Amino acid sequence: QQPVQSPQAVILREGEDAVINCSSSKALYSVHWYRQKHGEAPVFLMILLKGGEQKGHEKISASFNEKKQQSSLYLTASQLSYSGTYFCGTGSNFGNEKLTFGTGTRLTIIP
Amino acid sequence: EPEVTQTPSHQVTQMGQEVILRCVPISNHLYFYWYRQILGQKVEFLVSFYNNEISEKSEIFDDQFSVERPDGSNFTLKIRSTKLEDSAMYFCAEGGGYEQYFGPGTRLTVT
Repeated sequence: QQPVQSPQAVILREGEDAVINCSSSKALYSVHWYRQKHGEAPVFLMILLKGGEQKGHEKISASFNEKKQQSSLYLTASQLSYSGTYFCGTGSNFGNEKLTFGTGTRLTIIP
Repeated sequence: EPEVTQTPSHQVTQMGQEVILRCVPISNHLYFYWYRQILGQKVEFLVSFYNNEISEKSEIFDDQFSVERPDGSNFTLKIRSTKLEDSAMYFCAEGGGYEQYFGPGTRLTVT
């Protein structure tokens, strides 16, 4: 079953913060976050593993709540370059296996 | 981040024709994947490939699809008799641990 993302779309002004959520009805072992710009390939942002630490770099970070089977992506002080569709993908605990992607969250940053 | 290349970038074909999509990984990763994305929708897993064998395939990957690694480097996805609903972006990805890195994709248009 595919993970569910919320919100489906969000519009922010440059400098504002955003939170994108990804939840699953199945136990999560790994959550992969990607950003895709229109007409381009998904670009890997980060991965969170069960039992692992919260990840982050620069102004993009993510958390993984194993009990709630949820992950959240945090974008702080958003920049115009953050615009795109964000997908979470869930994987197994074995690694190297297929990713099941959510339906995506379209983020639009306006000046 | 590994750079996967894919050819062609765009393929237009008539319904019923065979197409071959190519992927050239540029790394020592051992795991390869094909995903597809119908316009405006989420990314869907097709098949994973390890050690020159299919390791997992989805219900989408029926008998009209096949994958090969004919020369040990290039990695191909063949669709034997294309249908209108095969129109999509096809991405190959490679991975060596948990991360998966996507190629730029091939846009397949079936008319």
